[in-house]
Amino acid sequence: GDSVTQMEGPVTLSEEAFLTINCTYTATGYPSLFWYVQYPGEGLQLLLKATKADDKGSNKGFEATYRKETTSFHLEKGSVQVSDSAVYFCALSDMRFGAGTRLTVKP
Amino acid sequence: GAGVSQTPSNKVTEKGKYVELRCDPISGHTALYWYRQSLGQGPEFLIYFQGTGAADDSGLPNDRFFAVRPEGSVSTLKIQRTERGDSAVYLCASSLGGGPQSTDTQYFGPGTRLTVL
Repeated sequence: GDSVTQMEGPVTLSEEAFLTINCTYTATGYPSLFWYVQYPGEGLQLLLKATKADDKGSNKGFEATYRKETTSFHLEKGSVQVSDSAVYFCALSDMRFGAGTRLTVKP
Repeated sequence: GAGVSQTPSNKVTEKGKYVELRCDPISGHTALYWYRQSLGQGPEFLIYFQGTGAADDSGLPNDRFFAVRPEGSVSTLKIQRTERGDSAVYLCASSLGGGPQSTDTQYFGPGTRLTVL
């Protein structure tokens, strides 16, 4: 069946460092791909999405490109801030989520 | 408008008891989802409604779990004969359309933390 594999955490970075969180998937058909974020004490919220191959989703300085040839949707940000500390989840449109990657950014 | 709301926010019950968890989706959203999230894990899909009908209940772990959405709005997740392994955060989400291959964004509620003693 369909599945999502995320880079294991936790990830700890210094402020202004470059971030990559890897996400790969297996799926039949052509799902849409999502990144959700869960800030401390808050509910899950959409960060960005891509609906077809080669689409790039972006929001709040984060980007991810739908790569059909490598079945990947890696999340990147050029310069992280302390306020980016959260748990990040990769997901498919058929309701499957990765296990989550906890990011801590230190000043 | 209001987001997705869930009640109660916390529920503590004893093994073997029956519990009901409620979800109020965003008005006008036809799709509603229930997930279960254990500590350190991602949301695990349980059931998806399109309107009043359960379009996909393949994630329900066994027949102790049941969910309804009689008027296509509010949904209730029901768990019979609760077990300690049922302890988790139960999340509800809604979207305008939904289902496999959907591009719609899911909006999540804050969750109900269920603890079975």
